Amino acid sequence: DAGITQSPRHKVTETGTPVTLRCHQTENHRYMYWYRQDPGHGLRLIHYSYGVKDTDKGEVSDGYSVSRSKTEDFLLTLESATSSQTSVYFCATRGRQGVNTEAFFGQGTRLTVV
Amino acid sequence: QQQVKQSPQSLIVQKGGISIINCAYENTAFDYFPWYQQFPGKGPALLIAIRPDVSEKKEGRFTISFNKSAKQFSLHIMDSQPGDSATYFCAAQTGANNLFFGTGTRLTVIP
Repeated sequence: DAGITQSPRHKVTETGTPVTLRCHQTENHRYMYWYRQDPGHGLRLIHYSYGVKDTDKGEVSDGYSVSRSKTEDFLLTLESATSSQTSVYFCATRGRQGVNTEAFFGQGTRLTVV
Repeated sequence: QQQVKQSPQSLIVQKGGISIINCAYENTAFDYFPWYQQFPGKGPALLIAIRPDVSEKKEGRFTISFNKSAKQFSLHIMDSQPGDSATYFCAAQTGANNLFFGTGTRLTVIP
């Protein structure tokens, strides 16, 4: 398994509070991604990073921000958590851009906003 | 707007049977079509993938069939086993950074 660790694995938080999820990788992969998984929607891209300090928005980025200060760490922040952000969040990495490049996923973080 | 449409949502197959999951896309810029398998409580993991210049790819009991003109591709699982019970996602990728996923198919193989 690719060395991707997500923390925390489970979190319950209150509406309106900020929340930060962490993704740590030991593969020295350049590309990192945050997805959310919801029933009926599959996996949807929130934000991605193509290098240290280089990030861009995905298809469902509203209410989320990211930071990548080191190759190995990619943080996802919910600025003010809402119930619609209750989901399972997955971090993924890829070693290089282009075709035929496998994405490796972490174990996921289950977030519940009450 | 769903970039990749996947069906069925759920599938129940007898052990030894064939499982078939279908996907369709519109964006002709997609140039890599992977399938991911996900077990409960785990992240998705790459199962098999195909490029659009190939019409079929087989790895063991798993086969991808690709129809470029129809913009459709499918996963066939031959001799389905209870251990294949999982959620399967098709996906499509451009040469750039993004990977678009279908909505997933929950496969249950009955012993």
